[in-house]
Amino acid sequence: EIVLTQSPGTLSLSPGERATLSCRASQSVSSNYLAWYQQKCGQAPRLLIYGASSRVTGIPDRFSGSGSGTDFTLTISRLEPEDFAVYYCQQYGTSPEYTFGQGTKLEIK
Amino acid sequence: EVQLVQSGAEVKKPGESLRISCKGSGYSFTSYWISWVRQMPGKGLEWMGRIDPSDSYTNYSPSFQGHVTISADKSISTAYLQWSSLKASDTAMYYCAKGFNYYDSSGYPLAFDYWGQGTLVTVSS
Repeated sequence: EIVLTQSPGTLSLSPGERATLSCRASQSVSSNYLAWYQQKCGQAPRLLIYGASSRVTGIPDRFSGSGSGTDFTLTISRLEPEDFAVYYCQQYGTSPEYTFGQGTKLEIK
Repeated sequence: EVQLVQSGAEVKKPGESLRISCKGSGYSFTSYWISWVRQMPGKGLEWMGRIDPSDSYTNYSPSFQGHVTISADKSISTAYLQWSSLKASDTAMYYCAKGFNYYDSSGYPLAFDYWGQGTLVTVSS
């Protein structure tokens, strides 16, 4: 089973700042198999990025994904008030087919 | 508009059985896998298993195999998650999620693009 470790656990930033969230895998992951989600309090997760770097239709271009192998990054270029939430990375593998990181909480400083 | 609408919150006692539902609309229900994802209070996301609604073929995470049953009724575009004997540790929010139109070489979805609103299951004596 591939384990995804996200860092930091909590990130405190101000609106307008740049956010960099990390997701590290215990084994190499195909870039096609890495996704990012945003979950706001009391809501279901929302898919932001798939294939490590492709934005889902309708997701603002301030969100970008990058990385390969075992190290992946979600970057939010200029934080808007609505971006403060918990972010999860997710990979597709085998048994279990899908695993998630433990999440990074992005909070207002 | 694609929607997944889940059944309402449940409060059950240990040992009781339960089935929760997830009704899809706005898309071809039999064309996309449905997965179930658990989120325990204050915790992260855990994938439980998935079903192909066209033929009810299922895959389960080893962590949930034998503890839950996933099924579907394609005639009413509804997927189900079922327990035969609940435990207090089953207390959680449960989400259904639709497979995204991005696949591996075997035709399995690599992510989830639409999610239900969640069903809160509370198991307490």
